[in-house]
Amino acid sequence: AQSVTQLGSHVSVSEGALVLLRCNYSSSVPPYLFWYVQYPNQGLQLLLKYTSAATLVKGINGFEAEFKKSETSFHLTKPSAHMSDAAEYFCAVSYTGANNLFFGTGTRLTVIP
Amino acid sequence: GAGVSQSPSNKVTEKGKDVELRCDPISGHTALYWYRQSLGQGLEFLIYFQGNSAPDKSGLPSDRFSAERTGGSVSTLTIQRTQQEDSAVYLCASSLGGQGAEEQYFGPGTRLTVT
Repeated sequence: AQSVTQLGSHVSVSEGALVLLRCNYSSSVPPYLFWYVQYPNQGLQLLLKYTSAATLVKGINGFEAEFKKSETSFHLTKPSAHMSDAAEYFCAVSYTGANNLFFGTGTRLTVIP
Repeated sequence: GAGVSQSPSNKVTEKGKDVELRCDPISGHTALYWYRQSLGQGLEFLIYFQGNSAPDKSGLPSDRFSAERTGGSVSTLTIQRTQQEDSAVYLCASSLGGQGAEEQYFGPGTRLTVT
């Protein structure tokens, strides 16, 4: 079975501080991993994805994530938070042959000026 | 190009009424997905269409929910005899070929409120 756990439903950081959003997955087969961002009243937008190539994945808006198989993790980071990063972030897992994404419950990021 | 569009953006209905939600996927995308986003619940998969294949309905929560996709393009999600627990944001997504590693492109959603 595939599932995703996002630790911390709410995370607050100061502007300019490191952003770290945690995601752990469970998968019985090699996973594909995704981070999506949702701005208020908008749909989800892909930030980055891991599909078995490089374990360190760089995405849009300065975000990156590292796939760590030993820790079954795919944490999202950004060195310096910007006010425009305030949004809800979803981690998701899929696999070859899957018909859908399995999403975590999301983490709401607040950036404090 | 145009992204995934959904209509209506908001729908308020009385308990027991039927509702229809529409999704227009990105042109050329063969795969279409419906998800439900409830407060504090993340996104829950509902149904998947791929080309002319039979849809994967494994995520539909009850037989009050149904969906169709006409001509391999537009999709309609129908909820019959709505209940208050159906209140949620219903998101549609499409992807090019429906493979597990593909990016799914999401619409803005339809916010359904059942009173």
